[in-house]
Amino acid sequence: GAGVSQSPSNKVTEKGKDVELRCDPISGHTALYWYRQSLGQGLEFLIYFQGNSAPDKSGLPSDRFSAERTGGSVSTLTIQRTQQEDSAVYLCASSTRNTTDTQYFGPGTRLTVL
Amino acid sequence: KQEVTQIPAALSVPEGENLVLNCSFTDSAIYNLQWFRQDPGKGLTSLLLIQSSQREQTSGRLNASLDKSSGRSTLYIAASQPGDSATYLCAVTPQGRGYSTLTFGKGTMLLVSP
Repeated sequence: GAGVSQSPSNKVTEKGKDVELRCDPISGHTALYWYRQSLGQGLEFLIYFQGNSAPDKSGLPSDRFSAERTGGSVSTLTIQRTQQEDSAVYLCASSTRNTTDTQYFGPGTRLTVL
Repeated sequence: KQEVTQIPAALSVPEGENLVLNCSFTDSAIYNLQWFRQDPGKGLTSLLLIQSSQREQTSGRLNASLDKSSGRSTLYIAASQPGDSATYLCAVTPQGRGYSTLTFGKGTMLLVSP
């Protein structure tokens, strides 16, 4: 079946602009994660959604970052007033609810803030 | 705070060699440990997942071991091939949350030459 998809694959924006990144998880997966991979850094957890439960936002680096998940499926990560340090690859992953299951990652969105 | 370290950061070997990638983590209270592969411009692919109660997992030419008490894992690749060239990432899931917010190492970049 189809894997996790993300759009756009690349996004170039000017400092101060808002951007929206989209993630379509695998059908039937109730858990959805966002991660960020910055140059020279490891992957960092940003936010976790599980069904209709309140999301775990503990990894969001600032209040300029927010995310939502509509209808328990598609998720959008929004970055307001982008800064150059926001430049990174943003990866989305989905899994079943069970913590013993692996996460399936999308190809990522490469964000460049000029 | 959990920290995951991978050694070496980069490795270059001729085709056919057996090799070992190392991963260490500071907090032994983990639920499981995963090894991923990342190809340029692509998302992560899960290679092996080891539960905290397990000592090793095998898949084809790959073998991953886990010593939870000492905070170490190794990924052994037998008879390496040029197609194995990629970045290999180690990640741990913390205990107690009921879901899997992964903490990643920075990866080992592997190049296998024909």
